[in-house]
Amino acid sequence: QLQLQESGPGLVKPSETLSLTCTVSGGSINSNTYYWGWIRQPPGKGLDWIGIFYYNGSTSYNPSLKSRVTISVDTSKNQISLKLSSVTAADTAVYYCAISSSLGGYFDLWGRGTPVTVSS
Amino acid sequence: SYVLTQPPSVSVAPGQTARITCGGNNIGSKSVHWYQQKPGQAPVLVVYDESDRPSGIPERFSGSNSGNTATLTISRVEAGDEADYYCQVCDSSSDHPVFGGGTKLTVL
Repeated sequence: QLQLQESGPGLVKPSETLSLTCTVSGGSINSNTYYWGWIRQPPGKGLDWIGIFYYNGSTSYNPSLKSRVTISVDTSKNQISLKLSSVTAADTAVYYCAISSSLGGYFDLWGRGTPVTVSS
Repeated sequence: SYVLTQPPSVSVAPGQTARITCGGNNIGSKSVHWYQQKPGQAPVLVVYDESDRPSGIPERFSGSNSGNTATLTISRVEAGDEADYYCQVCDSSSDHPVFGGGTKLTVL
């Protein structure tokens, strides 16, 4: 049973880089079955797609965040990482990792999410 | 970029049918997916590819899509269905997923 678990610091200072990891259990991130995605949700607001990583190394990012986002994997740890640079209060959100079977497709498994607050 | 529009809220009495709409330009030509999100929890996929249900999702949840409107229908609504619901499609111009703004379903 595939499971996803996000982790990372809950508090990040403005202008710094937010770094989160998503640990995958019950399956390999090297699988060509899945696209590994990050989605965030600001407090009281809707879902905002951040980007996606495919096992062959290809990535796709939300144009509004593209200049600040990097999604990568650590196959030795079976983890997907998210880095978002130059954060502001607008980046305060719950961050979810999720999997999809196709680029742009539905996300049929989500992690529980990890809250991140940007504040000095 | 492609925009999806949902009503902020829908209210329905227990046992009745709830219909949550998702509007988009020619959305009928796209595959629409729906998520349920309860407070403090991650979203859960309830309908995909317009009308298919993942394992474990009750038959009370169904979807339809035509023209400029997709609809999630919840029959025989229960108190436990109270949640936020989000629609999602793929923006074919970019292959990026796009989410609607969400609809809060209140069970009266």
